[in-house]
Amino acid sequence: EAGVAQSPRYKIIEKRQSVAFWCNPISGHATLYWYQQILGQGPKLLIQFQNNGVVDDSQLPKDRFSAERLKGVDSTLKIQPAKLEDSAVYLCASSLGPRFYEQYFGPGTRLTVT
Amino acid sequence: DQQVKQNSPSLSVQEGRISILNCDYTNSMFDYFLWYKKYPAEGPTFLISISSIKDKNEDGRFTVFLNKSAKHLSLHIVPSQPGDSAVYFCAASAAGGGADGLTFGKGTHLIIQP
Repeated sequence: EAGVAQSPRYKIIEKRQSVAFWCNPISGHATLYWYQQILGQGPKLLIQFQNNGVVDDSQLPKDRFSAERLKGVDSTLKIQPAKLEDSAVYLCASSLGPRFYEQYFGPGTRLTVT
Repeated sequence: DQQVKQNSPSLSVQEGRISILNCDYTNSMFDYFLWYKKYPAEGPTFLISISSIKDKNEDGRFTVFLNKSAKHLSLHIVPSQPGDSAVYFCAASAAGGGADGLTFGKGTHLIIQP
């Protein structure tokens, strides 16, 4: 079974530029999550999708971050404009459904904002 | 406000001995707890979980204990093996309208010494 795919693996941009990350979840997984992991911290939830609807985006900085999950499969996370403090690893995870299902994580995208 | 706390940034254990990783939480609404293991440059991998209706769950060498009154859980690894060297994250979720994004601790770096 193929795992969660993410691209790119690494990205370096200057502050005020924009960037987008892509995630392809495990086939058949209805729930998709984006997490931000800053160095030395645990992952922090940014947004949760159930199929193509948003379930929770309470911790997403909506003035600069946006995410979509078209057709309930792939998802993209965008930052515009980027700030220095956005430097982090962005992790995508998917699960069969909400609650009590294991979340499978992708390898992450390491973003460096200079 | 850290709702999930792992107070030991690192732990060194001899191969073959027991490793005990601790985790405390403050949110009484958490009812499902998980441990994830993470190797460098990879996403977190699910290890073991426990529901709040239980106080113990065992899977091979891994056992998780939950003390709800103390808001404390621990992960026991017996016997510890070199491949167990990794960062371990404690995570928790709360029921709430289908939103079940995980709240993570900062992690404990476990080092198994030969």
